[in-house]
Amino acid sequence: DSGVTQTPKHLITATGQRVTLRCSPRSGDLSVYWYQQSLDQGLQFLIQYYNGEERAKGNILERFSAQQFPDLHSELNLSSLELGDSALYFCASSKEDRGNQPQHFGDGTRLSIL
Amino acid sequence: GQQVMQIPQYQHVQEGEDFTTYCNSSTTLSNIQWYKQRPGGHPVFLIQLVKSGEVKKQKRLTFQFGEAKKNSSLHITATQTTDVGTYFCAGGYGGSQGNLIFGKGTKLSVKP
Repeated sequence: DSGVTQTPKHLITATGQRVTLRCSPRSGDLSVYWYQQSLDQGLQFLIQYYNGEERAKGNILERFSAQQFPDLHSELNLSSLELGDSALYFCASSKEDRGNQPQHFGDGTRLSIL
Repeated sequence: GQQVMQIPQYQHVQEGEDFTTYCNSSTTLSNIQWYKQRPGGHPVFLIQLVKSGEVKKQKRLTFQFGEAKKNSSLHITATQTTDVGTYFCAGGYGGSQGNLIFGKGTKLSVKP
């Protein structure tokens, strides 16, 4: 158990819809990262938050947005969903915001767009 | 931007054979980390290398960081079926960049 909690585990929805994925980091971790993993693909970094502030942005579409709340949990919002958005979305957390910290991953949310 | 290249993409071995995956960065890394993702699972942190030329071992796994801190390798001796999964390297560049850059991973399958 990594200590990172992601909900829901599975999400099935239709094109054009909007969904929210939730992540609670490990106790004591201030940094949260979101990744997208498509079938047999690597981990595409989307965005990082540290203590409520956006810290780094990767290949995140304009239809996607995220935020980190005062209690440090984070939400990833995906809107105007397309078939290509079907993927596994991971959240990871680390103690600090520097790239020298091990990241601890949640179990992921599997998003299926019909 | 920074990129971390990882090869091979796939590797099929017979149980008992050795396995190696390689990572290469175009620019100097502050550290490199290795993760393993079992089928159906999430990436799990294995190890972090920080020093130039560093070598670390975990049982049958040997991790190396190049002298120039631009490349790294993971070598598994005498693979077992429990080694099946995808191995990712992830480079950290330090400074103001807080995120890691992941390689595309090497998917290892082991035939018993």
